[in-house]
Amino acid sequence: AQSVTQLGSHVSVSEGALVLLRCNYSSSVPPYLFWYVQYPNQGLQLLLKYTTGATLVKGINGFEAEFKKSETSFHLTKPSAHMSDAAEYFCAVISGSARQLTFGSGTQLTVLP
Amino acid sequence: DTGVSQDPRHKITKRGQNVTFRCDPISEHNRLYWYRQTLGQGPEFLTYFQNEAQLEKSRLLSDRFSAERPKGSFSTLEIQRTEQGDSAMYLCASSLGGQFNEKLFFGSGTQLSVL
Repeated sequence: AQSVTQLGSHVSVSEGALVLLRCNYSSSVPPYLFWYVQYPNQGLQLLLKYTTGATLVKGINGFEAEFKKSETSFHLTKPSAHMSDAAEYFCAVISGSARQLTFGSGTQLTVLP
Repeated sequence: DTGVSQDPRHKITKRGQNVTFRCDPISEHNRLYWYRQTLGQGPEFLTYFQNEAQLEKSRLLSDRFSAERPKGSFSTLEIQRTEQGDSAMYLCASSLGGQFNEKLFFGSGTQLSVL
């Protein structure tokens, strides 16, 4: 079985500050991990994904995430928050014989001026 | 790439009525997924199609729910005898075959409110 846990349903940061959104996964086999972002009134968009290879993955809009097997984590970071980063962020996993993504419950990011 | 489109954007219905939603995936995508999202939760998988074949259904998909994808193009999701617990955002996504770790392209969803 596969699952993800996102710690913190709401995160607030000041513009220019570090963004850190936490995601831990559970999987009995090597997982594929994703971060999707959902802006108001828009569909979810892929930010980045980890399949194999380099554990530090760079995505769009300056975001990156690091796969840490020992910690079963895939936290999302951005060095400097921008007002346009305000959105809901979802971590997702697919592994083994599964044919669909399992999403976390999401983290709403607010960027304060 | 015109994106995934869903219709309608909003649907308000009375309990017990039937509703049908439509999803038009990106034209060359052979996989199509339906997810359901409630407030404060992430999307939950409902069902998926490979071309016109419905290959997997979640236990969340009760007998009142039925989905089709005739000719492997657009898809419809019908809910019969709606209940208040069906109120949610229904999301459609598509992908271009290959591995199951491929990027999903999501539509903006259909927001269903059952009164």
